[in-house]
Amino acid sequence: EVQLVESGGGLVQPGGSLRLSCAASGFTFSSSWMHWVRQAPGKGLVWVSRMNSDGSTTNYADSVKGRFTISRDNAKNTLYLQMNSLRAEDTAVYYCSLAGSYRFDYWGQGTLVTVSS
Amino acid sequence: QSALTQPPSASGSPGQSVTISCTGTSSDVGGYNYVSWYQQHPGKAPKLMIYEVSKRPSGVPDRFSGSKSGNTASLTVSGLQAEDEADYYCSSYAGSIYVFGTGTRVTVL
Repeated sequence: EVQLVESGGGLVQPGGSLRLSCAASGFTFSSSWMHWVRQAPGKGLVWVSRMNSDGSTTNYADSVKGRFTISRDNAKNTLYLQMNSLRAEDTAVYYCSLAGSYRFDYWGQGTLVTVSS
Repeated sequence: QSALTQPPSASGSPGQSVTISCTGTSSDVGGYNYVSWYQQHPGKAPKLMIYEVSKRPSGVPDRFSGSKSGNTASLTVSGLQAEDEADYYCSSYAGSIYVFGTGTRVTVL
């Protein structure tokens, strides 16, 4: 059974940093593309970033480019999202997702990030 | 990277059908046959319902179907059931990035 468990969310001040983690199990993590998707409270889904299986290819939404960095540790079956220079508009539930072929096959339960002073 | 346009709401009585549209551009919906649809119940993670425009993952009822014409994709839910009441989001590949729709709340009357 595929399991994705996000952690690392919390309250952070504007301009601060946070690192999210996504622990994966139930599939071959080291062979899988992975995504981060976020959802502001009461709002819709927004794609954030993706990384290929060996970490050599990454893509970002314009809204986070230069501030967020996706990474992975295949030995630990864990995906990360380093978030710097956080803004109020980054407040959201952040989901990690196992990529299928041009789709989001499985999702974690999400972790809430709140940016506020 | 503008969001795909969906109607905010749609509704139908049990047993009826509802169709949700998802309008993009030639750079996303119209340019690729990689439109997918997700169902999200309140407080829950999204669930994949349709991929590659019209394909259903294992376990998704055949009451759910998808199609595309030009820059607009559609999701149809036939034989509405109470458990279909949820938010629905489309998504499209857009060349190295992805874009989601604005979301549609489906209400079963």
